[in-house]
Amino acid sequence: GAVVSQHPSRVICKSGTSVKIECRSLDFQATTMFWYRQFPKKSLMLMATSNEGSKATYEQGVEKDKFLINHASLTLSTLTVTSAHPEDSSFYICSAFTGDDTEAFFGQGTRLTVV
Amino acid sequence: AQSVSQHNHHVILSEAASLELGCNYSYGGTVNLFWYVQYPGQHLQLLLKYFSGDPLVKGIKGFEAEFIKSKFSFNLRKPSVQWSDTAEYFCAVNADNDYKLSFGAGTTVTVRA
Repeated sequence: GAVVSQHPSRVICKSGTSVKIECRSLDFQATTMFWYRQFPKKSLMLMATSNEGSKATYEQGVEKDKFLINHASLTLSTLTVTSAHPEDSSFYICSAFTGDDTEAFFGQGTRLTVV
Repeated sequence: AQSVSQHNHHVILSEAASLELGCNYSYGGTVNLFWYVQYPGQHLQLLLKYFSGDPLVKGIKGFEAEFIKSKFSFNLRKPSVQWSDTAEYFCAVNADNDYKLSFGAGTTVTVRA
């Protein structure tokens, strides 16, 4: 199947700093990617839809100025957590659909810890 | 918007036991249904999906699921589990005209050798 790669897999940062997470589709082009957040023992929560060449679409309750999404190419979307706080600590996962649009492929996730 | 409910938070089984994980969804329109598995330290992987047709869907690794429209359910089954089936299992739904997935909370399955 198609491969989606996230980087980094783990990151620890200090409160007030910004962290960038990359999501790449390695063997296909993805005009649309999705960013999810997963809390311990909880479901994956969709944060935003990342659209190549245009602004991301954020889900209700997700601060767009806090979670900046850039989808500058057909194989790369980035999520930047700005001015991170401990409550932003979580597991962030991206996904993308391939051309036939029937199956989403997921990155391995990024564990963010804000101290 | 859709919502998904998985009944079991943690299931512990012995090898060769049968497994059934419950999944119910709420949505008034046509949906596509998925089961994903996440093995320790790995990506979410698709086990099986239902779009239309035969409501009994067979997936990889011996898993199957049955879509019962009247019950808004899409339960996952495997007749005989192996130790390697230890993983987190997620049920997911999207509306027929939307790529956004709504996930259940997940079920941790632990298979004891």
